[in-house]
Amino acid sequence: NAGVTQTPKFQVLKTGQSMTLQCAQDMNHEYMSWYRQDPGMGLRLIHYSVGAGITDQGEVPNGYNVSRSTTEDFPLRLLSAAPSQTSVYFCASTIGGAGGTDTQYFGPGTRLTVL
Amino acid sequence: GIQVEQSPPDLILQEGANSTLRCNFSDSVNNLQWFHQNPWGQLINLFYIPSGTKQNGRLSATTVATERYSLLYISSSQTTDSGVYFCAGITGTASKLTFGTGTRLQVTL
Repeated sequence: NAGVTQTPKFQVLKTGQSMTLQCAQDMNHEYMSWYRQDPGMGLRLIHYSVGAGITDQGEVPNGYNVSRSTTEDFPLRLLSAAPSQTSVYFCASTIGGAGGTDTQYFGPGTRLTVL
Repeated sequence: GIQVEQSPPDLILQEGANSTLRCNFSDSVNNLQWFHQNPWGQLINLFYIPSGTKQNGRLSATTVATERYSLLYISSSQTTDSGVYFCAGITGTASKLTFGTGTRLQVTL
């Protein structure tokens, strides 16, 4: 199993550009989530999904869209990038939900810089 | 949402020393986890521990749910233990994991 994969690893955008961060997992996990990590801070939840076709907002959803058309994939879209979105983005998955006893698996992260 | 405080924010140890990291929650949690982020940024789940004590090698964790805190013990620290340790929890039925700001640990030779 590859686990949780994220692409790209690094990305530089100009203000106003759009892009999609990709996240995929091959463990048949129902629950997937996106976090951002800023310097000196913990991870903050952006959006999450409890299964294909179901998504919900986390703590900091503004400026981001998600969709979940398959169990495996959970892309994160930035519609109009802003410098405040400069951060490291992590995707995670677990079998039965963040509230369960199952281990959360994290991807390697995407380092995004918005100029 | 819940507030998660971790202490100390920074810790420097010599190899072989022991340490205790603390995590306080502002509200009762029904899911508490500890994570390690290594110097390369990778996040690894250490423990799922909503209550009681668990041990895994040189690491152990204790959660006192009634008093809303959890402790992570690292014994005989090694340089590979360096990185940032996060605790995270969930309240109620929402599937939203809230992280603390972490304890940055540096283990020196």
